[in-house]
Amino acid sequence: QSALTQPASVSGSPGQSITISCKGTSSDVGAYNYVSWYQQHPGKAPKLMIYDVINRPSGVSSRFSGSKSGNTASLTISGLQAEDEADYYCSSETSSSTLYVFGTGTKVTVL
Amino acid sequence: EVQVVESGGGLIQPGGSLRLSCAASGFTVSSNYMTWVRQAPGKGLEWVSVIYSAGSTYYADSVKGRFTFSRDNSKNTLYLQMNSLRAEDTAVYYCARDLQGSAFDIWGQGTMVTVSS
Repeated sequence: QSALTQPASVSGSPGQSITISCKGTSSDVGAYNYVSWYQQHPGKAPKLMIYDVINRPSGVSSRFSGSKSGNTASLTISGLQAEDEADYYCSSETSSSTLYVFGTGTKVTVL
Repeated sequence: EVQVVESGGGLIQPGGSLRLSCAASGFTVSSNYMTWVRQAPGKGLEWVSVIYSAGSTYYADSVKGRFTFSRDNSKNTLYLQMNSLRAEDTAVYYCARDLQGSAFDIWGQGTMVTVSS
């Protein structure tokens, strides 16, 4: 089971919107609506930002939104803020023996 | 407060064994799916293992046959027994609550395992 493919880095200016893609296959992202997104600041544990493709946990800003089309999921951050600078990972359930797969990770830089 | 706290990491020689613990509070581990995720230094996240509420366990191919995930319901604590450790097992190991395949919503701070001679 290969990792889901994410861009290595994405950047934007404060107030702008950015989108991070997460490309999988018909055995993971395309097969399940169980795509989640995690934010990780340096030296910290990951934090759940989006689950079931589009849902935000309580306490997560509405500036974060998720979507999916075919085998590719996306995370959009609107109104980019300095505190959004972090690594972001997608994840999906899979039909393989490795039940879950993470993305390669994307470093978001706020210019 | 709902939280999990990992412990048990350290420096171990290749071929050695180590047992990680994950103590949960604010919820009952036996009623939930629980997962271990690891992150090698400077690398991405890698799913390691899950234990279902019914007690079934599943493992990533990279650790199958070497790692064992168990729990002690009376202590509300989970364990990851790691045997035949290799250099490539060096990572921060996170314990997380698993929303039955949907996502991992509660994460601990992680415990570092270093496999080196």
